This record gives sequence, C-alpha cells and structure tokens, in this order.
Amino acid sequence: GAVVSQHPSRVICKSGTSVKIECRSLDFQATTMFWYRQFPKQSLMLMATSNEGSKATYEQGVEKDKFLINHASLTLSTLTVTSAHPEDSSFYICSAPPGKGIQGALHFGNGTRLTVT
Amino acid sequence: DAKTTQPPSMDCAEGRAANLPCNHSTISGNEYVYWYRQIHSQGPQYIIHGLKNNETNEMASLIITEDRKSSTLILPHATLRDTAVYYCIVRVVNSGGYQKVTFGIGTKLQVIP
Repeated sequence: GAVVSQHPSRVICKSGTSVKIECRSLDFQATTMFWYRQFPKQSLMLMATSNEGSKATYEQGVEKDKFLINHASLTLSTLTVTSAHPEDSSFYICSAPPGKGIQGALHFGNGTRLTVT
Repeated sequence: DAKTTQPPSMDCAEGRAANLPCNHSTISGNEYVYWYRQIHSQGPQYIIHGLKNNETNEMASLIITEDRKSSTLILPHATLRDTAVYYCIVRVVNSGGYQKVTFGIGTKLQVIP
C-alpha cells in the first residue's frame, strides 16, 4: 500500500537554528502534501498544503516566512522551520493522498518530534 | 467539511467490541465518512471509510445510519494495541483534486486488560 516516509523522526536543535523535515511518498506520486503540527494532548492542526510546482497554501495564523515549504518533486516535500524557538517545539506530521480523485484516504508519515532548546 | 462530534474518551475491556460513535448531522450527500486513529507519538493511521453503505475491512466495521447523520466505528475484538485516539472526519472527494483534511479532538479509547 501507499507509504509516506518522514525524516528525521526526532530532532533537537538550539534556539535560532533552522531545521529541515523531509516527507517522501515511496510508491506513488503526490502532487499535494499536507503539513500538520500537534502540541501535547491536542489534535492535529493543519499548517499548510504544499503543491508540486507551485507555492504552498498556508492556514491562517501560520507564518510562511518561518515555516518554509518546498514541494520540489512529485515524491518529496520539505518543511523548514527557520530560526526555531522553544515555542516551535512540537510534533510535525506530513501526509499525502494516494492520487488525484482516488477515493482513498490520506497516508501519514510517522511524524517528527522537534525539540528546540 | 461537515463538523463532527465525538465523545472525548471511552473505555473498553480487552476482547470486547469497541463501539465508537460519531455525530455528523450536517453531512452533505456527497461527503464521505472517514475514520483514522493515532497511537501515541505516531502519525495517524487510516482505518475505514464509507458513503452510505456499511463497510467492513480487516481492521474494523463502519455502520452509517440510514439518514447518514451519525456513524459507529466497531472494533470487534479490542486489544491493548487498539488504545489510541480515534478521529471521525467527513469530507468530499472529487476528481478536481484533494481537499485539505481538518481534525477534531477525536475519542481517546482506552482498552483495559
């Protein structure tokens, strides 16, 4: 079945540095990918939708200059948290649908636990 | 997307059936019901979906009421590994692309030994 691979699974960085998270669709092409953020004991919050070959669409309240999204190919989307601060510490999850118009479900990566010290 | 309402938490004895309800009284005719679950510190996992007929797969059964205003996810023989947060989502799937999916708070299912 469709698999989404997310890397790294866990990262610790110092305040002020940038962190890149990769999301790959392993056996299908993903023209669209979704990025979520989840704080402890809360639900997933959609941050942005990345589209291959065009600019990402950000949800209200999400700073696009802080959370840079690049969907450079049909199998790879990256989220870069720039100048990370402790309040950016969270669980980041990417997801992708298996194909356009297919009545299937979203497939999720296993998430990246970001800790900013 | 139509709004869904789920109980925040439920307990179920191991080996028994877990029945998780979801209310989606404002669902439109072209909206599907999807269920996902999220085990602690993992990405969500797709379970099952349906439009109006009941569905069954190797993981669960989905019962949708005739008026489609509510549904129940059934895990027939709950195990400790089924302890997770279960999300019910309703959404349109069309050939024009893939719409974003937003999550509510879900139901935290605790399977008790």
